[in-house]
Amino acid sequence: QKEVEQDPGPLSVPEGAIVSLNCTYSNSAFQYFMWYRQYSRKGPELLMYTYSSGNKEDGRFTAQVDKSSKYISLFIRDSQPSDSATYLCAMPASGGSYIPTFGRGTSLIVHP
Amino acid sequence: SQTIHQWPATLVQPVGSPLSLECTVEGTSNPNLYWYRQAAGRGLQLLFYSVGIGQISSEVPQNLSASRPQDRQFILSSKKLLLSDSGFYLCALLPSSGNTIYFGEGSWLTVV
Repeated sequence: QKEVEQDPGPLSVPEGAIVSLNCTYSNSAFQYFMWYRQYSRKGPELLMYTYSSGNKEDGRFTAQVDKSSKYISLFIRDSQPSDSATYLCAMPASGGSYIPTFGRGTSLIVHP
Repeated sequence: SQTIHQWPATLVQPVGSPLSLECTVEGTSNPNLYWYRQAAGRGLQLLFYSVGIGQISSEVPQNLSASRPQDRQFILSSKKLLLSDSGFYLCALLPSSGNTIYFGEGSWLTVV
């Protein structure tokens, strides 16, 4: 089992829809979770990060962590065509490792 | 805040030619540094990471090598490129006192 599982998509939604992007992870030692947005032919940019369980909101974006289920989500409200990108979840290195863990990324397409 | 500079941004190289991609960082000291490769439609593949000057760990066998001659400089090299070396190369850093990973803008390599 991979440490992080993320559906590659593509996920296609109409403009204005609520988008739910998800990752599951297997290492219960992960305490800190990140979401990145990557536009085509660009490096990933940090979108949000969160500790522990619960929700964190930033504008139209909400990150949610359920540590009991080892499940993290990124919700995008009122999605826009400019949100079309690949979204990657990530956890930093832990337990003596220097290697962060990334999901494969979900491709999101928001069509007008 | 941390910034990462990568160059060149794009290059086309013939098979068998050498390669040198450079990454320099600003705004942080003693970071962990990483080289990733991302093939089209694929996830991030960790190639090398470094926890300090002259300290390089390789994650996959290949004809690439990395060096860290200075704290804020990370270089990816090859003596003879293969067609399979084509891809998007990303430099990333993890600050010594943080959990968040930052990426550069990437270098697109096409081997012809």
